[in-house]
Amino acid sequence: GAVVSQHPSWVICKSGTSVKIECRSLDFQATTMFWYRQFPKQSLMLMATSNEGSKATYEQGVEKDKFLINHASLTLSTLTVTSAHPEDSSFYICSARDRGVGNYGYTFGSGTRLTVV
Amino acid sequence: GESVGLHLPTLSVQEGDNSIINCAYSNSASDYFIWYKQESGKGPQFIIDIRSNMDKRQGQRVTVLLNKTVKHLSLQIAATQPGDSAVYFCAENQGTYKYIFGTGTRLKVLA
Repeated sequence: GAVVSQHPSWVICKSGTSVKIECRSLDFQATTMFWYRQFPKQSLMLMATSNEGSKATYEQGVEKDKFLINHASLTLSTLTVTSAHPEDSSFYICSARDRGVGNYGYTFGSGTRLTVV
Repeated sequence: GESVGLHLPTLSVQEGDNSIINCAYSNSASDYFIWYKQESGKGPQFIIDIRSNMDKRQGQRVTVLLNKTVKHLSLQIAATQPGDSAVYFCAENQGTYKYIFGTGTRLKVLA
């Protein structure tokens, strides 16, 4: 089945630094990937839709200059949290759509736990 | 905006009993629904899905029921096992690539 790999699985960084999170589709091509944020004991909140070869589409209230998304290939999307602050600490999850399956073939990565100290 | 919600935040069931997790959605235009299972520290895992032209779909030990009249979705787990303990989310798709997730229900299986 489709596998999405997310790296790193956890990261601790100092306030003011930037952190890059990778999302890879291992055995399929993904023209569209999604980035979610999840606070403890809460649901997944869609942050942005990452489109291969074009700019990402951000959800209302998400700062595009703070959460930089790059989808340079059909198998890789990256989320960079710039100038991270403690309030950015969260669980970040990506999902990818297997374009060979249709609109409903989504697979989630295992998530990245970001802690900003 | 419109959202998907859940009636019960926590559900405790005895091992071997059946579990029923409920979800209410508000957008009548949603045409596809998925139930996900999320274990602690992991990403969501697909459990079962259902399209709006169906009212019931069965998988292995799981059944999803869709009542479009009252905009209600439920997940039934038969013979609940300790490994079923997790948070369960329903998600709706409104015909685009985006999914809206519900608030989640934590299922606790008691030995």
